[in-house]
Amino acid sequence: AQSVTQLGSHVSVSEGALVLLRCNYSSSVPPYLFWYVQYPNQGLQLLLKYTTGATLVKGINGFEAEFKKSETSFHLTKPSAHMSDAAEYFCAVSVIGAGGTSYGKLTFGQGTILTVHP
Amino acid sequence: NAGVMQNPRHLVRRRGQEARLRCSPMKGHSHVYWYRQLPEEGLKFMVYLQKENIIDESGMPKERFSAEFPKEGPSILRIQQVVRGDSAAYFCASSPRSTGELFFGEGSRLTVL
Repeated sequence: AQSVTQLGSHVSVSEGALVLLRCNYSSSVPPYLFWYVQYPNQGLQLLLKYTTGATLVKGINGFEAEFKKSETSFHLTKPSAHMSDAAEYFCAVSVIGAGGTSYGKLTFGQGTILTVHP
Repeated sequence: NAGVMQNPRHLVRRRGQEARLRCSPMKGHSHVYWYRQLPEEGLKFMVYLQKENIIDESGMPKERFSAEFPKEGPSILRIQQVVRGDSAAYFCASSPRSTGELFFGEGSRLTVL
């Protein structure tokens, strides 16, 4: 079974500062990895995903994440925080099944609330 | 281009009543998922459906909960005889194929008094 651990339930940064949200996963088979963002009272929106290939993936709103198999990590970064980045961020993993397919049964981390100060 | 539509957005029920949550997937999406978000917790998978078929219901509580995705109409998550522990946000997501890239609705927030 797979699991996801997000280190730090709350992260606070100043506007313009580096954003680093940590995610470690556990999976017995090669995973697909995702970051989702949730704004208050809204659904989740996909930020970026890793499936295969390049380990550094770029997403929307200037975010990127690097898959490090040796560290079982998929940390999310953004060079310069903006006030509009304040939200809750979820890391998720899905398992690749037979035939190389994956379906939407995701295991989510508990989320990290990002606060951006002026 | 409408997204995933869920209704009602907010639902209040008394203990013992039934709750019905509806989800219309994005146009062209035939895969529907339901997730539950309890306070202070991440989302937990409940069920995966395709038209007229339950593919994976491993996350559904054994009793009182059921889901369907009929040939016509929205997917429905039904909770019978609700209890206070059912209070949560229920999210529906859809995808055009069997993939982990999901499109989420805005959720239905159930409060059980």
